[in-house]
Amino acid sequence: DADVTQTPRNRITKTGKRIMLECSQTKGHDRMYWYRQDPGLGLQLIYYSFDVKDINKGEISDGYSVSRQAQAKFSLSLESAIPNQTALYFCATSASKGPAGDEQFFGPGTRLTVL
Amino acid sequence: AQKVTQAQTEISVVEKEDVTLDCVYETRDTTYYLFWYKQPPSGELVFLIRRNSFDEQNEISGRYSWNFQKSTSSFNFTITASQVVDSAVYFCALAGNNNAGNMLTFGGGTRLMVKP
Repeated sequence: DADVTQTPRNRITKTGKRIMLECSQTKGHDRMYWYRQDPGLGLQLIYYSFDVKDINKGEISDGYSVSRQAQAKFSLSLESAIPNQTALYFCATSASKGPAGDEQFFGPGTRLTVL
Repeated sequence: AQKVTQAQTEISVVEKEDVTLDCVYETRDTTYYLFWYKQPPSGELVFLIRRNSFDEQNEISGRYSWNFQKSTSSFNFTITASQVVDSAVYFCALAGNNNAGNMLTFGGGTRLMVKP
């Protein structure tokens, strides 16, 4: 079974709808991240969480919110989806509590299309 | 601010050719970490390597090798005797030790197409 899972894997929705993307991990990691990938731009960080009580904005947090329900779960919400939020979304985890060098483990991605 | 530049957006080679993917980075951190990830057509991100800024030794893993040069702020990736299965998008990424969240800054990626 995969260590980092994301649901749904694909979603098509309409402008203005509220959408939640979910991420679960069995790696026991404290740190979790949400990224979005647009063609030619690599991945950009949306939000990250050090632990259940510590949530931080990333580079492109506008239009998004997150919830860290437990160590193993980190959800990303689009309160009112818009077409330019169409992208591939990745969840990631890492164990690092100190220096930044620990590897991040990525989920399989969620492809979101907003019409 | 950190920045990673992968100037080659797309490379096409014929199987068995060697190919080098370039990565140039910018950071003010004295300690930092560099990564390469592979994204095959199926979409997942596969970790390939991590290198810290104090270790400039080149590394070889099978057909893959990495050349880290602090003097030119580059961390290039070479695939020897490329195979069709190497076709993917490859991302270089940087994490500075002074950033609070272990945040990765990604380059825009290089799409490698290996033709039979």
